[in-house]
Amino acid sequence: EPEVTQTPSHQVTQMGQEVILRCVPISNHLYFYWYRQILGQKVEFLVSFYNNEISEKSEIFDDQFSVERPDGSNFTLKIRSTKLEDSAMYFCASSKGRASYNEQFFGPGTRLTVL
Amino acid sequence: DQQVKQNSPSLSVQEGRISILNCDYTNSMFDYFLWYKKYPAEGPTFLISISSIKDKNEDGRFTVFLNKSAKHLSLHIVPSQPGDSAVYFCAASAGGANNLFFGTGTRLTVIP
Repeated sequence: EPEVTQTPSHQVTQMGQEVILRCVPISNHLYFYWYRQILGQKVEFLVSFYNNEISEKSEIFDDQFSVERPDGSNFTLKIRSTKLEDSAMYFCASSKGRASYNEQFFGPGTRLTVL
Repeated sequence: DQQVKQNSPSLSVQEGRISILNCDYTNSMFDYFLWYKKYPAEGPTFLISISSIKDKNEDGRFTVFLNKSAKHLSLHIVPSQPGDSAVYFCAASAGGANNLFFGTGTRLTVIP
């Protein structure tokens, strides 16, 4: 069964450093997403991506964040200058179509720890 | 900004009994609701969904009920099995948008 994969599973970085989180969405999916979950809190939407551009983004997704689909398979989230409060679990997801009625498939997540 | 709320952080149920997980929302623009299940070290997995034009959707042991006037939905699992032990998230979206608003989750433990 196709699945969304994410690397690395755990990333530790120093405050102020740049990190890139990687995702491989399901191959025939067209919409891609990033969510995050700070420990003990709810899963929060960051951004959706379609046709090589951002489709929607939340208030959390500020200028320190960027997304890219550098090739036909990878989907990345870059955090330019990490802050302590960026420590969270980051989930990538993908779906076949745009509307809610297309199930979003989630990856296992990358745990980001900012020291 | 708690647009989707799950007020019970945990729930324990005996195997074979019914599990009822509850979710409330505040945004009247939400028109699609989903339940996701999450095991440790895995991402959320879609379980069942319901459109606002319905009040019930059933899939095997899982049934979701929607009460629009109360802005409340619930997930019923009958009969509960030990493998159902996981964290269950309620999520909602509005107007066909892709961004899902999640609740904080309820940890279900099914006791054998």
